[in-house]
Amino acid sequence: KNQVEQSPQSLIILEGKNCTLQCNYTVSPFSNLRWYKQDTGRGPVSLTIMTFSENTKSNGRYTATLDADTKQSSLHITASQLSDSASYICVVSARTPGTASKLTFGTGTRLQVTL
Amino acid sequence: GAVVSQHPSRVICKSGTSVKIECRSLDFQATTMFWYRQFPKQSLMLMATSNEGSKATYEQGVEKDKFLINHASLTLSTLTVTSAHPEDSSFYICSAPRQGSYEQYFGPGTRLTVT
Repeated sequence: KNQVEQSPQSLIILEGKNCTLQCNYTVSPFSNLRWYKQDTGRGPVSLTIMTFSENTKSNGRYTATLDADTKQSSLHITASQLSDSASYICVVSARTPGTASKLTFGTGTRLQVTL
Repeated sequence: GAVVSQHPSRVICKSGTSVKIECRSLDFQATTMFWYRQFPKQSLMLMATSNEGSKATYEQGVEKDKFLINHASLTLSTLTVTSAHPEDSSFYICSAPRQGSYEQYFGPGTRLTVT
């Protein structure tokens, strides 16, 4: 069964600090891994997408890593801002030839950035 | 800017009535769209895959007669919640994959409250 697990479930950090969120997955056959940011009451917004051959990708203050051998990914947020407060969801896509890929969602990490 | 829109963003309806939610891809054609439901503090759960020109594919446990999906054109899919009950109150989100890329864009979501 395809699964995506994230840790921690929730996290509180001070503004300006860095943090790292973790994602472990068992999805096969693997196509790509995405990190989304979801503000409360809004739809998810893509931060990064990585394929099998990519092991790091950055988007501003967000840097994602991927280890396809150990099936782990991390999302590192640098110099956090209050606006980073949101849920961060790790999503893994399986290869499904001929059809649009179905996504397996993690349960998310709820990040709160405080003053 | 947004590439997938949803309408309405919020709707309150009485028990027993039907509610239609629209999902539009704004600058690309989407032969496939996905409908998700999200309960508070939980991740997105795939309800069904909407296919232009053919029947929708429903996930296990989702009643197709209760959640009617119509993919009317290459840019529009609708989800109709029929005979809504309070337990149908949830956050409904659609997504559309862009052909030729791994990107899958999510709509901003529709908050349904059934009283």
